[in-house]
Amino acid sequence: AQSVSQHNHHVILSEAASLELGCNYSYGGTVNLFWYVQYPGQHLQLLLKYFSGDPLVKGIKGFEAEFIKSKFSFNLRKPSVQWSDTAEYFCAFSNYGGSQGNLIFGKGTKLSVKP
Amino acid sequence: AAGVIQSPRHLIKEKRETATLKCYPIPRHDTVYWYQQGPGQDPQFLISFYEKMQSDKGSIPDRFSAQQFSDYHSELNMSSLELGDSALYFCASSLRRTGSDEQFFGPGTRLTVL
Repeated sequence: AQSVSQHNHHVILSEAASLELGCNYSYGGTVNLFWYVQYPGQHLQLLLKYFSGDPLVKGIKGFEAEFIKSKFSFNLRKPSVQWSDTAEYFCAFSNYGGSQGNLIFGKGTKLSVKP
Repeated sequence: AAGVIQSPRHLIKEKRETATLKCYPIPRHDTVYWYQQGPGQDPQFLISFYEKMQSDKGSIPDRFSAQQFSDYHSELNMSSLELGDSALYFCASSLRRTGSDEQFFGPGTRLTVL
């Protein structure tokens, strides 16, 4: 079955610490990969996406992610987190050219940044 | 830039009542998706429409139905509401004809069933 696994349910960091959130997907074909962020009480916002090309993608707010096809992974990184990064982060993928684009989400990782 | 609009933002219903949620996609987007996010859960895909035709179906209960109208807005109709239907319902839109799967999400409708 197609699924997304996010390794951490809740991550607590101090400001300026580095962040890496793990994401692995389960699907044998070509995928489009996404990271979305959901601030408390708000809707999902796209952080970054990978469709093709350079496997290291840069998104908004200093986030980046690396697609490693052999590991079916798309981990999210940020070198120095800020208190304002406190939010829930969802990894998702869609089946490129296969299904009609609906996203399959992971369970989410809640990030709490202590000031 | 115009975003996805959803109405109402909050809705409170009693068990066994019906509810209608509306979604207005970004202008010129041809695809609408509906997702349900229960408390503390990840968003689950319900149903999608491409050019006003149902495109894909996920975990949508039989009590729910949806359609996309000629102006591309979509409505999710929910009948015989149950307590478990309390959730945040997101609509997203995309421009599929360009080959892009990037979905833009609306603010959601928070449905509470009492």
